[in-house]
Amino acid sequence: EDQVTQSPEALRLQEGESSSLNCSYTVSGLRGLFWYRQDPGKGPEFLFTLYSAGEEKEKERLKATLTKKESFLHITAPKPEDSATYLCAVQVSGGYNKLIFGAGTRLAVHP
Amino acid sequence: SQTIHQWPATLVQPVGSPLSLECTVEGTSNPNLYWYRQAAGRGLQLLFYSVGIGQISSEVPQNLSASRPQDRQFILSSKKLLLSDSGFYLCAWRTSGASYEQYFGPGTRLTVT
Repeated sequence: EDQVTQSPEALRLQEGESSSLNCSYTVSGLRGLFWYRQDPGKGPEFLFTLYSAGEEKEKERLKATLTKKESFLHITAPKPEDSATYLCAVQVSGGYNKLIFGAGTRLAVHP
Repeated sequence: SQTIHQWPATLVQPVGSPLSLECTVEGTSNPNLYWYRQAAGRGLQLLFYSVGIGQISSEVPQNLSASRPQDRQFILSSKKLLLSDSGFYLCAWRTSGASYEQYFGPGTRLTVT
């Protein structure tokens, strides 16, 4: 069965303290891996798409990487405004581009 | 640019009452459309998807249904709500082209009492 697991469930950081979020997946045929940011009470906001092992994408303080079994979202020198839930999703081979989501990592950055 | 709208933003309904949630997309044509439900502390669960007008596929059996009466309109309905239908409902779209990322609307918070 296709599965996406994110860890840790929650992460508390001090402002400026860099860290990484993990997304591991077990799928039959990966077409793409997606990272989203979700603020409380709002819809997920698209961040990155990664398609193949070794690929990296960057946006401000965020950098996403992909291996054959997992993806990391690295947060460098985070600020309080980076506090949010970060969701990972994978798209598997199929006729309708289904996304399978992990449960997310709740990130809190304190000043 | 593309924009996705959902309404209402919040809804409180008694058990057994009907439901209608609406989603519209602007700035694109022939999008693939999706309905997801997000329970507290859990990942998004795909409920329905549509690749065109009148074309609906259901991902999980339940008392919900979906319709797509126009190219950029997607509706989620129920004839009789259950307590377990409470949650955060999200509509998403993607282009019918090669890129696979989905873009989400602001969501509807449904509480069934």
